[in-house]
Amino acid sequence: EAEVAQSPRYKITEKSQAVAFWCDPISGHATLYWYRQILGQGPELLVQFQDESVVDDSQLPKDRFSAERLKGVDSTLKIQPAELGDSAMYLCASSPRVSSGYTFGSGTRLTVV
Amino acid sequence: SQQGEEDPQALSIQEGENATMNCSYKTSINNLQWYRQNSGRGLVHLILIRSNEREKHSGRLRVTLDTSKKSSSLLITASRAADTASYFCATDFSGNTPLVFGKGTRLSVIA
Repeated sequence: EAEVAQSPRYKITEKSQAVAFWCDPISGHATLYWYRQILGQGPELLVQFQDESVVDDSQLPKDRFSAERLKGVDSTLKIQPAELGDSAMYLCASSPRVSSGYTFGSGTRLTVV
Repeated sequence: SQQGEEDPQALSIQEGENATMNCSYKTSINNLQWYRQNSGRGLVHLILIRSNEREKHSGRLRVTLDTSKKSSSLLITASRAADTASYFCATDFSGNTPLVFGKGTRLSVIA
């Protein structure tokens, strides 16, 4: 069964350092999402891509977060500089079209110390 | 802000019993979806129910949708220890917007 690949699985970084997460969606899925999930909460959207274009980044803290999907396939989410409050699970998901179910990756657990 | 609110926040039952989780939302939707998340893992899609549907089944799962009350329920019949997880409802407002997730219900099934 096709999966959404994410790496790294875990990341520990010091405050003010840069960190990057990678996501490879299911082949052929045009829509890709990055969500952040704080422990005990539901996922909250950071950014949505349709192919290589950003569709919704209204909740992305653009002073420190950036996301790209240059060729409309895999995607990178970057945080620079990391803050203690960024500690969370970062989840990538893809879907064949916007109004269908999502397939999520296993996520990256970020701890900022 | 989160659109869906699950109830209860936590549920503990014995293996073999049925588990019911509820979700309420605030505005009109295109569809509503339920996801499961095992501890420390990604979410797994369970069921999608469209706004013009009232009930859907998938194996031991039954989902209902009442658009007049802006609520949905997820029923897991004959629960198993492996059903222990967090369950989230997610709403699709318009078909063009990303899913908005609730805070989830933590289900514990005791063997």
